Amino acid sequence: DQQVKQNSPSLSVQEGRISILNCDYTNSMFDYFLWYKKYPAEGPTFLISISSIKDKNEDGRFTVFLNKSAKHLSLHIVPSQPGDSAVYFCAASYTKYNNNDMRFGAGTRLTVKP
Amino acid sequence: EAQVTQNPRYLITVTGKKLTVTCSQNMNHEYMSWYRQDPGLGLRQIYYSMNVEVTDKGDVPEGYKVSRKEKRNFPLILESPSPNQTSLYFCASMIWGLKETQYFGPGTRLLVL
Repeated sequence: DQQVKQNSPSLSVQEGRISILNCDYTNSMFDYFLWYKKYPAEGPTFLISISSIKDKNEDGRFTVFLNKSAKHLSLHIVPSQPGDSAVYFCAASYTKYNNNDMRFGAGTRLTVKP
Repeated sequence: EAQVTQNPRYLITVTGKKLTVTCSQNMNHEYMSWYRQDPGLGLRQIYYSMNVEVTDKGDVPEGYKVSRKEKRNFPLILESPSPNQTSLYFCASMIWGLKETQYFGPGTRLLVL
């Protein structure tokens, strides 16, 4: 039972434009969300997180938006750069502090074309 | 440099032949875990360990064993591998209670024939 879904397996954007990666979840008890970035032959690395008490969190070119009523979050990358080409995973958890409750989406492969 | 290392990175084996994938971290993290990644399913947790000699099952523990005799090492053991364990495996470590500190190893791609 996939509780976290990334319905777009891939996304291609032009350098300099905005990339929007989407993630939906089914469990309304999820309270803390994270995005990870993964390059080929490497493990995922933490990118940005958001708590359910917020609807937006920004870190440089990366912004995560959370719509709790829709059970939807999105990652915006502005402007997109070729080095952003990677697989992006979203993850949801019940609390910020429990290490064992993360549920991951299947990932979206972003390609940024020069 | 903070890192999680895994060995081997690639492994082809046959059904029933016991194997061990090693994992080591140099950050003194208490918490370590193993995940598997399969197409269309994302990362799923196999086992985790909150500290030395403390391990517990994750979401998909069947067919796997782990041990945590030292803080830095967390090997994954497949006593009798089967083809449905063909997957990409990641080891990870983090500071307890701080998800943002989670570091993943580079992955081990396993093929069981």
